[in-house]
Amino acid sequence: ETGVTQSPTHLIKTRGQQVTLRCSSQSGHNTVSWYQQALGQGPQFIFQYYREEENGRGNFPPRFSGLQFPNYSSELNVNALELDDSALYLCASSLALAGENIQYFGAGTRLSVL
Amino acid sequence: GENVEQHPSTLSVQEGDSAVIKCTYSDSASNYFPWYKQELGKGPQLIIDIRSNVGEKKDQRIAVTLNKTAKHFSLHITETQPEDSAVYFCAASKGTGRRALTFGSGTRLQVQP
Repeated sequence: ETGVTQSPTHLIKTRGQQVTLRCSSQSGHNTVSWYQQALGQGPQFIFQYYREEENGRGNFPPRFSGLQFPNYSSELNVNALELDDSALYLCASSLALAGENIQYFGAGTRLSVL
Repeated sequence: GENVEQHPSTLSVQEGDSAVIKCTYSDSASNYFPWYKQELGKGPQLIIDIRSNVGEKKDQRIAVTLNKTAKHFSLHITETQPEDSAVYFCAASKGTGRRALTFGSGTRLQVQP
């Protein structure tokens, strides 16, 4: 077990709705990254948070947004859900040290958009 | 941006045989290459990683090799066991500290008992 926990494990939403996914990072880790994994594909980077600020973003539209809290936990928010947003959303935590980038993943939240 | 290609997409071996998965990357500035194993219903689990200042790294039955000139790296699993059956992903990132991982498309490894 990595110590990274995500909630909920499964979620069903309808097109146009909004969703919030949550992640608790491994103890001592200060950086959280979010990835989207479509069925049968590798994870794709959405964005990363360090010290409560966004620290890099992948090719995802602004309706994907996030937050990091003082205890380093994080939320991923998706507005105006589309069918293509159906995927496994993974959170990874890491300790940002020079030269280190080891990311530990949670089990993910499976989002289905109907 | 970085692009990581992974082959093969599926691999079936007999228990006890070796398995090799290969990845190529496009950005010569990439300097960190982890491998993850993902079992059904679970998140990716780091199994081994290598940095660009090292050509090979081994951990028991698992080894990774890196050829910076050709921009490719490989995962080698020896003496495969049924519990090695899973989807394996390679990834690459560059810079230091806080950097995004770019993943390959995955290899489904099946070890036949």
